[in-house]
Amino acid sequence: ETGVTQSPTHLIKTRGQQVTLRCSSQSGHNTVSWYQQALGQGPQFIFQYYREEENGRGNFPPRFSGLQFPNYSSELNVNALELDDSALYLCASSQQGITEAFFGQGTRLTVV
Amino acid sequence: GIQVEQSPPDLILQEGANSTLRCNFSDSVNNLQWFHQNPWGQLINLFYIPSGTKQNGRLSATTVATERYSLLYISSSQTTDSGVYFCAVGRLGGGNKLTFGTGTQLKVEL
Repeated sequence: ETGVTQSPTHLIKTRGQQVTLRCSSQSGHNTVSWYQQALGQGPQFIFQYYREEENGRGNFPPRFSGLQFPNYSSELNVNALELDDSALYLCASSQQGITEAFFGQGTRLTVV
Repeated sequence: GIQVEQSPPDLILQEGANSTLRCNFSDSVNNLQWFHQNPWGQLINLFYIPSGTKQNGRLSATTVATERYSLLYISSSQTTDSGVYFCAVGRLGGGNKLTFGTGTQLKVEL
């Protein structure tokens, strides 16, 4: 059974650029959620995808968008990067409903 | 939205000591998980415990859902237990969205 994998592990971007982060869900899981973790804080929910559609969104602007593919993998896209977007981005996979979520190792994004 | 508070925020222990971490939440929940975040940022699942008591080696957890709190017990602590411990909760109707506490930073010294 494969776990949740994210790529890349580290990324440096310039303010105003766009970035795409990727996540492969754990085998047997159909739901992917994305979280942003700023330094010294707990992860904050960005959005969730189920059956290739957004299924819940946190308090993040529209320049944060995502996709889910038929194999349940997912992308997080952030446009017009700002310095405050620098954070650890975590992907979690689970089965739909109230079930245990498992996280990837994260992508550390630095915006300069 | 639901609020999650963890205490203490910081904890320093000598190796071999025991500790209790607490998680309070402001509303009823259907999902509660404890995680250990390693120095590289990965969240390691410790317990999925919306109610009841579970044990795994030196770690155990208890959730009293009716009183809206959960406890994580670490016995005979080791230096490898160092890191940040997070409690996260979820509710029906919220998909599987998790709301995290601010964490407890644990340092175990020799």
